[in-house]
Amino acid sequence: DTTVKQNPRYKLARVGKPVNLICSQTMNHDTMYWYQKKPNQAPKLLLFYYDKILNREADTFEKFQSSRPNNSFCSLYIGSAGLEYSAMYLCASSRDRGNQDTQYFGPGTRLLVL
Amino acid sequence: GDSVTQTEGLVTLTKGLPVMLNCTYQTTYSPFLFWYVQHLNEAPKLLLKSSTDNKRTEHQGFYATLHKSSSSFHLQKSSVQLSDSALYFCALSEMSNYNVLYFGSGTKLTVEP
Repeated sequence: DTTVKQNPRYKLARVGKPVNLICSQTMNHDTMYWYQKKPNQAPKLLLFYYDKILNREADTFEKFQSSRPNNSFCSLYIGSAGLEYSAMYLCASSRDRGNQDTQYFGPGTRLLVL
Repeated sequence: GDSVTQTEGLVTLTKGLPVMLNCTYQTTYSPFLFWYVQHLNEAPKLLLKSSTDNKRTEHQGFYATLHKSSSSFHLQKSSVQLSDSALYFCALSEMSNYNVLYFGSGTKLTVEP
């Protein structure tokens, strides 16, 4: 089973409120990623976990937090949502961290902030 | 820094015609290139990947050849089908410690009867 699951699929949030998105995989993959995709733009890496080590991109460092309580689950947390957070959030996982490893993606969570 | 360019945002074709979706990249490291396909309301799935220069890679009727001399990894198919309608992403991973993907903005392919 190469399925990556994401919950919820759609999320409506109010400006200033927190948002928590969940991702899970049962492939025992070491690495899990979060991407943000806006219309007509490329998916952009926000952060990733290699095992228990969190790596966050410099330009989104303060905007997103994450936790990985176990190998299967990874969350993406927005403390105070702004309009600019409206996007599709894609979770992915890969077996290892080598650049040849295939990343398996979930279907995404579409977040709309009003 | 690393980047990927997909020049066509939208491509519309009639069933049975050939297609080529352009992908060029920029990196100072040894590249690994991927094509992902995303059908409506589904997860992006790997279609092709390659790091070997001038070698054609094929899968499900699609093929691509990595040309390091021109920094290109164009996706082709000789005869598109209705089921090929989807969003296609080209992505680059560099030879570094982490499997970070740099995506192009995607090409939406629509195949008409």
